[in-house]
Amino acid sequence: TQLLEQSPQFLSIQEGENLTVYCNSSSVFSSLQWYRQEPGEGPVLLVTVVTGGEVKKLKRLTFQFGDARKDSSLHITAAQPGDTGLYLCAGEGGSNYKLTFGKGTLLTVNP
Amino acid sequence: NAGVMQNPRHLVRRRGQEARLRCSPMKGHSHVYWYRQLPEEGLKFMVYLQKENIIDESGMPKERFSAEFPKEGPSILRIQQVVRGDSAAYFCASSPVGPREQFFGPGTRLTVL
Repeated sequence: TQLLEQSPQFLSIQEGENLTVYCNSSSVFSSLQWYRQEPGEGPVLLVTVVTGGEVKKLKRLTFQFGDARKDSSLHITAAQPGDTGLYLCAGEGGSNYKLTFGKGTLLTVNP
Repeated sequence: NAGVMQNPRHLVRRRGQEARLRCSPMKGHSHVYWYRQLPEEGLKFMVYLQKENIIDESGMPKERFSAEFPKEGPSILRIQQVVRGDSAAYFCASSPVGPREQFFGPGTRLTVL
């Protein structure tokens, strides 16, 4: 069974601070996705990383896939209140047909 | 360019009733996935369907739950004889090819009284 552990579970910071959240597993994934979910809504896809060591940037968000494709990180620079939400990572295991989701990091950015 | 649509957004049922949740995938997407999200838990895979076929239902309870994706019309997740433990948010996602980069609907929040 593939498991994804996300840390921290909760994070509350002030506007303008930087932060990093992590997604770790003992399993290798062929790709990994990051989603953001707001209360009462469905997850919204932010990025997909495929290659070990890959780094992708989306404005103030930087995503990295570990060299061994077992872990990933999301770094947010100068966080804003609009970044508040539940950040979920999800791994694609290759031969099976489903994404395995972590439980998420609930980020609150206070003005 | 409409996204994934789900209805109803909120559904209240009494124990023993049936719940029908509908999902219309994005245009051009033929792969549909259903997930359940319980408070304090992550999204749990339930079933993966392509048009008229169930590809993987390993995450769906064997009893009372069924899913379909007919040639015409939306995908349906059906829960018979609902119990309080079925209360959750149910999400549908679609993708153009395989499990990668799924696009989620807004969810149906089921409450069983």
